[in-house]
Amino acid sequence: SQKIEQNSEALNIQEGKTATLTCNYTNYSPAYLQWYRQDPGRGPVFLLLIRENEKEKRKERLKVTFDTTLKQSLFHITASQPADSATYLCALAGGSGGYNKLIFGAGTRLAVHP
Amino acid sequence: NAGVTQTPKFQVLKTGQSMTLQCAQDMNHEYMSWYRQDPGMGLRLIHYSVGAGITDQGEVPNGYNVSRSTTEDFPLRLLSAAPSQTSVYFCASSLGDSWLANYGYTFGSGTRLTVV
Repeated sequence: SQKIEQNSEALNIQEGKTATLTCNYTNYSPAYLQWYRQDPGRGPVFLLLIRENEKEKRKERLKVTFDTTLKQSLFHITASQPADSATYLCALAGGSGGYNKLIFGAGTRLAVHP
Repeated sequence: NAGVTQTPKFQVLKTGQSMTLQCAQDMNHEYMSWYRQDPGMGLRLIHYSVGAGITDQGEVPNGYNVSRSTTEDFPLRLLSAAPSQTSVYFCASSLGDSWLANYGYTFGSGTRLTVV
């Protein structure tokens, strides 16, 4: 079955450093991969999308890479701030699953310390 | 715009009771979905709809019904609540395929359901 894995352990980093989160998947050939941010008690908020034919995407302090050979995406937050503390979810769609059916990972909690 | 509105925010049910979780969006989005979120398991798709009158099952549909009589509303019905349905439920919407691919889903703030 399709499976998405994200680090279950929280990632703790110092303010100003770069945070790197990992998303690995198996038994799936997605057309694109999305990253969402979720704060406690709230719904996920869309951040970035990267397509299967793209290697890297940037948006302000965010950078996403997508390696379809390794079946892995890396999500980077540069110059991290305490306000970046949240849970980050990756989601896959497309391919045999259809574009309207997002499959989510369990998320990685990021804590940025002053 | 209000975005995606879910009601109620909290609910406690007894085993065997039925109820409807409401979801409404005012963005004229065609795609709507229901997810449940449990600790350590991520968001799992329950049911989804690509337009009024069209619904389909997701990954975990058992015990839930949906209907889509209008573009705006997509209620989720629990037929006979069970403790295994204790979860946080999220409704999400998107304009369509191209919008979804570029802007993702817009999520509601969730309904926290406890079945005792």
